[in-house]
Amino acid sequence: DTGVSQDPRHKITKRGQNVTFRCDPISEHNRLYWYRQTLGQGPEFLTYFQNEAQLEKSRLLSDRFSAERPKGSFSTLEIQRTEQGDSAMYLCASSATGLGGYTFGSGTRLTVV
Amino acid sequence: AQSVSQHNHHVILSEAASLELGCNYSYGGTVNLFWYVQYPGQHLQLLLKYFSGDPLVKGIKGFEAEFIKSKFSFNLRKPSVQWSDTAEYFCAVSYNAGNMLTFGGGTRLMVKP
Repeated sequence: DTGVSQDPRHKITKRGQNVTFRCDPISEHNRLYWYRQTLGQGPEFLTYFQNEAQLEKSRLLSDRFSAERPKGSFSTLEIQRTEQGDSAMYLCASSATGLGGYTFGSGTRLTVV
Repeated sequence: AQSVSQHNHHVILSEAASLELGCNYSYGGTVNLFWYVQYPGQHLQLLLKYFSGDPLVKGIKGFEAEFIKSKFSFNLRKPSVQWSDTAEYFCAVSYNAGNMLTFGGGTRLMVKP
């Protein structure tokens, strides 16, 4: 058990459909991060929350992507009108400080067909 | 743009061999440096981190890394690898005490028994 839970573990969707992923961070961590990892690459930063506030967003996060953390606990990442290029592993991480040393979840693998 | 390079994509070693994985980052101000490891089928885990002080950092499982500021490098080392070190290794950097980590592309290490 990593302490950071992500659901679902795998998602297969048809192009054009909307998908939503959930992340439950370690309870005492106030910072939450979303990353995306494609095959053969390192994780790429998507967005960051401190408590319920979304403080940073990558240019990778197009307007089809939206993330929320409504009560400063769990977070959701929604992708609208999915495209094949969205196929990737979506990673969530949390930390108690802003100095890295994140705890990562196991990720949600999205396949868009 | 800030970037992290890991020169070796695949490394194959025999047990007891010494390991050194290269990591170079682009200039961008003050840096915090990290190595993460991903064992097969598992989530990313922190191996070690450097914030300040002694540039030789010791991590878990006998790993260490040396920060050489003049070379913009943070190479990972282990004197004697074991079969259980088979994994993918990622170098990551945060710039100017920021919250975002920039990851390298990863090095896949295979240790032959």
